[in-house]
Amino acid sequence: AQSVAQPEDQVNVAEGNPLTVKCTYSVSGNPYLFWYVQYPNRGLQFLLKYITGDNLVKGSYGFEAEFNKSQTSFHLKKPSALVSDSALYFCAVRVSGGSYIPTFGRGTSLIVHP
Amino acid sequence: GAGVSQSPSNKVTEKGKDVELRCDPISGHTALYWYRQSLGQGLEFLIYFQGNSAPDKSGLPSDRFSAERTGGSVSTLTIQRTQQEDSAVYLCASSATGKTEAFFGQGTRLTVV
Repeated sequence: AQSVAQPEDQVNVAEGNPLTVKCTYSVSGNPYLFWYVQYPNRGLQFLLKYITGDNLVKGSYGFEAEFNKSQTSFHLKKPSALVSDSALYFCAVRVSGGSYIPTFGRGTSLIVHP
Repeated sequence: GAGVSQSPSNKVTEKGKDVELRCDPISGHTALYWYRQSLGQGLEFLIYFQGNSAPDKSGLPSDRFSAERTGGSVSTLTIQRTQQEDSAVYLCASSATGKTEAFFGQGTRLTVV
């Protein structure tokens, strides 16, 4: 079985400050991890992924995420938040060599205040 | 088109009616997924198609739900005898062979009244 937890329903941050959106996962095997962003009335847009290699993954729009195997976490980060980053963020996992169906978290609403 | 296309964008239907939702994946993508997004519930997996293999239907919530994919391309999700709890946004995604990330359409917002 595979699962994802996003412990925060909402994250508030001031523009210009660093942001972190948390994600922890559970899989039986090596994980493939993903972050997606959803703007209002839009579908999900792929941000970045971890498959193997460097634990720090860089993605679109200045976002990055760090894979931590011991803590089974894959937190999304950005050094300086923009108001336009306000959106719903989803973490997803699937197991390497297993099911091709990713399991998504419940999503975290990021609100960046001017 | 360049992306995954879903139609209609919005659908309002009366309880008990049947509805069909359409997904046109990115050309050449062999994998196609349907998910359902309800308020505060995240994304719920419904069904997965990969090439000519038998689909993985393990996420379909009841026998009122069915889906098909014709010619390895366009997919239709059918909900029979709709209920109010079927109200949600239905998202379709596709991915290419050898690629791990999926690309999503804008979704169909279904409202059952």
